[in-house]
Amino acid sequence: DAGVIQSPRHEVTEMGQEVTLRCKPISGHNSLFWYRQTMMRGLELLIYFNNNVPIDDSGMPEDRFSAKMPNASFSTLKIQPSEPRDSAVYFCASSFVGSEAFFGQGTRLTVV
Amino acid sequence: AQKVTQAQTEISVVEKEDVTLDCVYETRDTTYYLFWYKQPPSGELVFLIRRNSFDEQNEISGRYSWNFQKSTSSFNFTITASQVVDSAVYFCALSEANDYKLSFGAGTTVTVRA
Repeated sequence: DAGVIQSPRHEVTEMGQEVTLRCKPISGHNSLFWYRQTMMRGLELLIYFNNNVPIDDSGMPEDRFSAKMPNASFSTLKIQPSEPRDSAVYFCASSFVGSEAFFGQGTRLTVV
Repeated sequence: AQKVTQAQTEISVVEKEDVTLDCVYETRDTTYYLFWYKQPPSGELVFLIRRNSFDEQNEISGRYSWNFQKSTSSFNFTITASQVVDSAVYFCALSEANDYKLSFGAGTTVTVRA
């Protein structure tokens, strides 16, 4: 298996633009996590899904952020409109419920 | 409330020294899982170990060892005879059986000098 695949690896966008981050989890995993990493706040859990259903989105910063998992092999995290304070590395991870999570390489987002 | 506390922000050692990273967790669940991850300068997050709450046996894997003590709610990680390649940020994490959300500590930056 290729592991968790995220795209794009890097994204530079202007404030106000829509940004969509994509994630393909490891085949067979039934949990998927979106994390954001910044120097100030460390690794923050934004949302996680079990069996494609959002279980806890309490970490989503505000309404500008939304996440979907239309099927077991794909998830998106969308920011609309983006702001400079959204600049961070966004990680997607997948696991079997209760087991270790495997992370993608991350998407480095810069909003200018 | 923070569930995983890594009190050490940074640790700097000289190669071949041992280094121990502290992790204290908080949970009301009787069934939970503890993890350690490594984030090298390249940025990826690498899984190192998973322990469940019913298994308090210490574990050794090469130069890495882990000490799990439920009495003190700690899951400490020791690198023996450190090497420059061990330089990274190390994260402790907790997952509780009631929701399986994976919560991370703030991380400890380890710098190993040649």
